[in-house]
Amino acid sequence: EAGVTQFPSHSVIEKGQTVTLRCDPISGHDNLYWYRRVMGKEIKFLLHFVKESKQDESGMPNNRFLAERTGGTYSTLKVQPAELEDSGVYFCASSPTRGPGELFFGEGSRLTVL
Amino acid sequence: EDQVTQSPEALRLQEGESSSLNCSYTVSGLRGLFWYRQDPGKGPEFLFTLYSAGEEKEKERLKATLTKKESFLHITAPKPEDSATYLCAASGGSYIPTFGRGTSLIVHP
Repeated sequence: EAGVTQFPSHSVIEKGQTVTLRCDPISGHDNLYWYRRVMGKEIKFLLHFVKESKQDESGMPNNRFLAERTGGTYSTLKVQPAELEDSGVYFCASSPTRGPGELFFGEGSRLTVL
Repeated sequence: EDQVTQSPEALRLQEGESSSLNCSYTVSGLRGLFWYRQDPGKGPEFLFTLYSAGEEKEKERLKATLTKKESFLHITAPKPEDSATYLCAASGGSYIPTFGRGTSLIVHP
């Protein structure tokens, strides 16, 4: 069974440019989460989808971040325009249930904004 | 606001030298306390979920315990392949896990 896949694994962009990160969850997992780890800090929650609906987006830093989940399958996280402080590793995770349980993480997308 | 604090930040052990990692949490209405292992360049990999104080779970050389304020990850006779960052996370009423910064463990042969 394929795990959570994320693309790209690493992206280097200039300040002001746009980047789109993609996450393909495990097939059949309705719950999809985005997290971010900034260097030296803890992994921080960004948002949670249940199927195609945003269940909780309280962790989104500002309106430069836009997440979508088309048809309840893969998800994209767009940063536009990117700022230096957006650099970090963006993790996607999925789970079959909403309740407290195991999250299956992807390997992350490292974003470097110069 | 939910908070999770892990200590120590880093730990170096000799192979076979047992130790414990600490996770202190402040969460309203704990739903679950989670331990993950993360290897360099990889995403976190699930180890355990603990739901209530007094609960214990074991997997190979790892044993996780839970009290009302903290959790411990005990590592018995570690091997070099146990070297990784160990992450603790807790979820309360929102079900969204809040992560700590992790403990970086290095086990020397």
